[in-house]
Amino acid sequence: QSVLTQPPSVSAAPGQKVTISCSGSSSNIGNNYVSWYQHLPGTAPKLLIYDNNKRPSGIPDRFSGSKSGTSATLGITGLQTGDEADYYCGTWDSRLSALPWVFGGGTKLTVL
Amino acid sequence: EVQLVESGGGLIQPGGSLRLSCAASGFTVSSNYMSWVRQAPGKGLEWVSLIYSGGTTYYADSVKGRFTVSKDNSKNTLYLQMSSLRAEDTAIYYCAKYFGPLHYFDCWGQGTLVTVSS
Repeated sequence: QSVLTQPPSVSAAPGQKVTISCSGSSSNIGNNYVSWYQHLPGTAPKLLIYDNNKRPSGIPDRFSGSKSGTSATLGITGLQTGDEADYYCGTWDSRLSALPWVFGGGTKLTVL
Repeated sequence: EVQLVESGGGLIQPGGSLRLSCAASGFTVSSNYMSWVRQAPGKGLEWVSLIYSGGTTYYADSVKGRFTVSKDNSKNTLYLQMSSLRAEDTAIYYCAKYFGPLHYFDCWGQGTLVTVSS
């Protein structure tokens, strides 16, 4: 079971909007930056969002990130079939007894 | 262009050893944090190890004592030495460049498949 909790799957129609949640605790999301990754199995994961809400160059503004307390959210608007992938949140965990880096369990996005 | 290319994966028997390599280009491994992340069949991403530019290392509990991460600055290459391999180590192993100050992975390789089976 992952330290960060994501819904296993979400779905929406092309052109619609979807959000993916990521829930953690004060030792990870609550006090550290959250990043989001898009992954098609067998390919290189891609950084979508860093520093909670910043997009690297080349990532369209259809992708957005936010954080509130111990939860973070990835938003995708104007869904395209090419957005079908697995999405992971991740962050540093400050507890000495924990792994320094944690991923969420991943969310499979289906564009209907 | 920043690029990471993994190699060294393959089929290995339980209890065996394997060394993965990750050749970097477009940046210097010596001055960056680097990490290994894996994905077992049907599972999500799992962080495996992290090495700071100064050499400090961290490992997931599942591999601690069996895996060793290192860098060869002259070859600009990251390594993961894996020993006492188990069936549950079967996964695609990705290397990634880690931006320490803001804690994120900004560049990933395509991965190399490790299969542990008799």
